[in-house]
This record gives sequence, structure tokens and C-alpha cells, in this order.
Amino acid sequence: GESVGLHLPTLSVQEGDNSIINCAYSNSASDYFIWYKQESGKGPQFIIDIRSNMDKRQGQRVTVLLNKTVKHLSLQIAATQPGDSAVYFCAEGQSGGYQKVTFGIGTKLQVIP
Amino acid sequence: DTAVSQTPKYLVTQMGNDKSIKCEQNLGHDTMYWYKQDSKKFLKIMFSYNNKELIINETVPNRFSPKSPDKAHLNLHINSLELGDSAVYFCASSQEWGYGTQYFGPGTRLLVL
Repeated sequence: GESVGLHLPTLSVQEGDNSIINCAYSNSASDYFIWYKQESGKGPQFIIDIRSNMDKRQGQRVTVLLNKTVKHLSLQIAATQPGDSAVYFCAEGQSGGYQKVTFGIGTKLQVIP
Repeated sequence: DTAVSQTPKYLVTQMGNDKSIKCEQNLGHDTMYWYKQDSKKFLKIMFSYNNKELIINETVPNRFSPKSPDKAHLNLHINSLELGDSAVYFCASSQEWGYGTQYFGPGTRLLVL
């Protein structure tokens, strides 16, 4: 859907603390989920992905958790740094055929030094 | 070397004009996309091409016409520009359809006066 009437959610975190960014997805048929990071003035950049046969996946300082029962996805960033300040998007997709990836509305992460 | 590049980066034009945005990827990917990002950071897919074939054509006014001369290029032509077309347009590419990580260009900031 469109973002008309919605404001970009903002999360403010102290430098060094852990951040948790949440995302609710809409399509129970989605089996592929991705987190993107978009810094100011740049295009979105891939962070981490997870397939529906997994509940958790870890990267460098980031962890993605998937709860298919409630259609919820979260991105955890450990020891948040000023360079983590950005807008974070979750995206959902489906395998097989020409299925598009749909982006969520985004969450702005502000890291307080 | 830039993986996904777009030109121009900024585009300021009058209502009613026709303009084009160009996109090139040097990643050898088969699939390319155009997204529109509004002022609230909502990312909405417009078009997608796979091996030069149009796969996704969302409910976009027919004033917008994509063209893919080859797999490495996807251009977007916009006729009779309107105020509501003001947005940031992102080109992206992925190695494979649907499941592939998308690599985004730096965006083209379009302002229609």
C-alpha cells in the first residue's frame, strides 16, 4: 500500500546500546525476507536476508529474527554506532515465478553519540 | 567502479516537459527494476525487466515508459511531467528474479515545478 498519512517511524538509540527494529509483513505466502539500510542521499543497501525455513540468522553485528506465526521480522544491531544511523527497510518476497519483492515503510534509526 | 549508476542525479524541470533517466549496471545481472520513493521514504516498485523482457508493470500512469536496450541498461522516460511525479527514482538490479539481493543505484532526485 501507499504511505499516505503515515509518518516514518523513528527509533533513537544511545551509541553502544543494542537496537531492535521491527517489521510486520503482510503476505503469509512470503518465504524470503531482506533487510536494507538506506543512508541519507544514497540508495538502499542489502544488510542481511533470511528464508522462511529459518528463525534466526546472524551477520556481523546484526541478527534477523523471523516469527512466521505472527508474521513478524526484527533486525537487531549490536553495539550501535553513529554510522548505523539510516532508514531501515524490511522487504518480503516469494520464491517461484515472477513474484516481486515488496518493501515495508521503513524505520529511521537515530544514534545519539 | 560503480555497480549500478544512474544519470542524472538531479533533475529539475517544468510541468508538462518530457524527461528521461538512464540506468546502467555492470554486475552482469539479468533483472533490473525501477522504484519510486516518495517524501515519506516509501519505496514502490514501478517496473521490472528480466532479460530485457518486461515482467512487472505496476499501476503506473502510461506517461512512464521503460526501455531496456540490453540487459545492462534500463531507462525510464516520462512524458508530460506532473507535480506529483516529484520523487526520488531508484534503479536496481539483481542476479536472479525474486530471490536475488537487489543492488540499488544512487537515485535520481526529480523535482517538477
